[in-house]
Amino acid sequence: RKEVEQDPGPFNVPEGATVAFNCTYSNSASQSFFWYRQDCRKEPKLLMSVYSSGNEDGRFTAQLNRASQYISLLIRDSKLSDSATYLCVVNGISGNTPLVFGKGTRLSVIA
Amino acid sequence: GAGVSQSPSNKVTEKGKDVELRCDPISGHTALYWYRQRLGQGLEFLIYFQGNSAPDKSGLPSDRFSAERTGESVSTLTIQRTQQEDSAVYLCASSLDSYGYTFGSGTRLTVV
Repeated sequence: RKEVEQDPGPFNVPEGATVAFNCTYSNSASQSFFWYRQDCRKEPKLLMSVYSSGNEDGRFTAQLNRASQYISLLIRDSKLSDSATYLCVVNGISGNTPLVFGKGTRLSVIA
Repeated sequence: GAGVSQSPSNKVTEKGKDVELRCDPISGHTALYWYRQRLGQGLEFLIYFQGNSAPDKSGLPSDRFSAERTGESVSTLTIQRTQQEDSAVYLCASSLDSYGYTFGSGTRLTVV
């Protein structure tokens, strides 16, 4: 089983749509969870951290289900500028253990 | 500097040659990481430096790959006797803690 698994997509959605991405991770001891965004031929950039209680940042909502080892990202009112690859990221049990990146889910928002 | 700086941004090399890639982390960031991303693939962990501790080299794919870091500053990733399968974008990131990384813009390596 891969450490972090995501549906690669692509998800093609119209502007204004709501879209959700899911991710599962294999290490039950993982402590930190993130969503990164990667634009074509660019480096990944931190989108948001994911907290156990769930968290929201504008149009973006992230949720964590530790029992199911499952992370989600919801994007409301999609914009053309949201088109990118979204990477689910998990780290280990302590300190700065290297982050493990999923292969990403590609989103295309269409006018 | 304000961000993570990597050089060169692009490198084309002949098969069998050695290459050296450089990363300047954000000042004060104690942790530095190297990842590789092949075309259309996810990020693959290579090596991790944390302060003065021994580096975590568990991701290096072969003994042709090595990396050094001077204190908490510049790091160099060296690939000896490059092969075509080494062609990828090599990404460096630094962090102050486990609270997310800042990546450089990467070095695109093409082995011909």
